[in-house]
Amino acid sequence: QKEVEQNSGPLSVPEGAIASLNCTYSDRGSQSFFWYRQYSGKSPELIMSIYSNGDKEDGRFTAQLNKASQYVSLLIRDSQPSDSATYLCAVVAGGGNKLTFGTGTQLKVEL
Amino acid sequence: SAVISQKPSRDICQRGTSLTIQCQVDSQVTMMFWYRQQPGQSLTLIATANQGSEATYESGFVIDKFPISRPNLTFSTLTVSNMSPEDSSIYLCSGGRDYEQYFGPGTRLTVT
Repeated sequence: QKEVEQNSGPLSVPEGAIASLNCTYSDRGSQSFFWYRQYSGKSPELIMSIYSNGDKEDGRFTAQLNKASQYVSLLIRDSQPSDSATYLCAVVAGGGNKLTFGTGTQLKVEL
Repeated sequence: SAVISQKPSRDICQRGTSLTIQCQVDSQVTMMFWYRQQPGQSLTLIATANQGSEATYESGFVIDKFPISRPNLTFSTLTVSNMSPEDSSIYLCSGGRDYEQYFGPGTRLTVT
């Protein structure tokens, strides 16, 4: 079982819709969770971090964490073509200090 | 946040040679890491760069092949030694306080 799993996609959504990206992790002791956005040919950019169960909102982005079910999700409201990118979920395992990345979900926002 | 620069941004090298990649952070950070990313794939952690001591390598990566230095809290280097075409990849450094990591722009390495 992979430590951090994501659906590779591509996930296609129309402009203005809500994009929902999901991630599951295997280490129940994990405490820190991150979402990175990576445009083609560019390096990953940190867009959200979440540490507690529940929702965390930042502009059009909402991160959701459910530790009991071991999943973390990212919602992007009012999706724009500029949101088209690969979104990487990253987790810090319990007792560790390094990020473990999922394989990423490619998002395509269509006009 | 942290702003991270890397150089070179890209290079083409002959097999058997070595390349040193530099990573500079604009502020003191507690942790710095080196990653490799193959086209279309996710990031693979090479090692944790420890200030003033030997780096901590992940399984499959060894110091003789990827020597790393971190003389202070804002600077680190990764050397790719005795390169082969299989080393062609994008190499990324990251830095940050606590667990939030920010990435440099990457070094695109091609080995011929």
